[in-house]
Amino acid sequence: ETGVTQTPRHLVMGMTNKKSLKCEQHLGHNAMYWYKQSAKKPLELMFVYSLEERVENNSVPSRFSPECPNSSHLFLHLHTLQPEDSALYLCASSPTGTGGTGNTIYFGEGSWLTVV
Amino acid sequence: GENVEQHPSTLSVQEGDSAVIKCTYSDSASNYFPWYKQELGKGPQLIIDIRSNVGEKKDQRIAVTLNKTAKHFSLHITETQPEDSAVYFCAASSSGGYQKVTFGIGTKLQVIP
Repeated sequence: ETGVTQTPRHLVMGMTNKKSLKCEQHLGHNAMYWYKQSAKKPLELMFVYSLEERVENNSVPSRFSPECPNSSHLFLHLHTLQPEDSALYLCASSPTGTGGTGNTIYFGEGSWLTVV
Repeated sequence: GENVEQHPSTLSVQEGDSAVIKCTYSDSASNYFPWYKQELGKGPQLIIDIRSNVGEKKDQRIAVTLNKTAKHFSLHITETQPEDSAVYFCAASSSGGYQKVTFGIGTKLQVIP
């Protein structure tokens, strides 16, 4: 139990489907993240929300649409995906704060997405 | 931006031997260096971290060293056990607000019984 819960754990969707990934954190953190993990590639940061405001969007195609209704919940809405979007999508959270020397990011177990 | 290089990409050791994974980073502003372990089918879990004001940190069989001048940091696992088999990621980030963390590509460690 990491304190970050992702659902569903596995998802298979067609290229014309619309689906959503859900993430909930129980750690009292103010920042939430979506990462994409593909084979033989470093973890790719997709989106960051800090205090419910999107602060980072790393050139992610518009077929991925994040939503952060409050500091505990994060969604990734998926629409007209491509087979190359098949990957493990990881949600994470961390505290926020200025100064200091870094805050730990805590990951969920991930949602395995297969686009057919 | 930050660039983190990690090697080796795969590592096989006999049970009981030590394993060392090395990383370099490029941004001198980075001051926090976590290490994550990812087991099959699970998300990455933090196993140890080190901050820039410390040169070495140890937690039981795991230790991490940091050389800020050379921009190197390393993970050392002693007396390896089969349950240490996993993918290990190093990362570097700078402080303030949310965390913009750059990860290494990962090292797949196999401990042979």
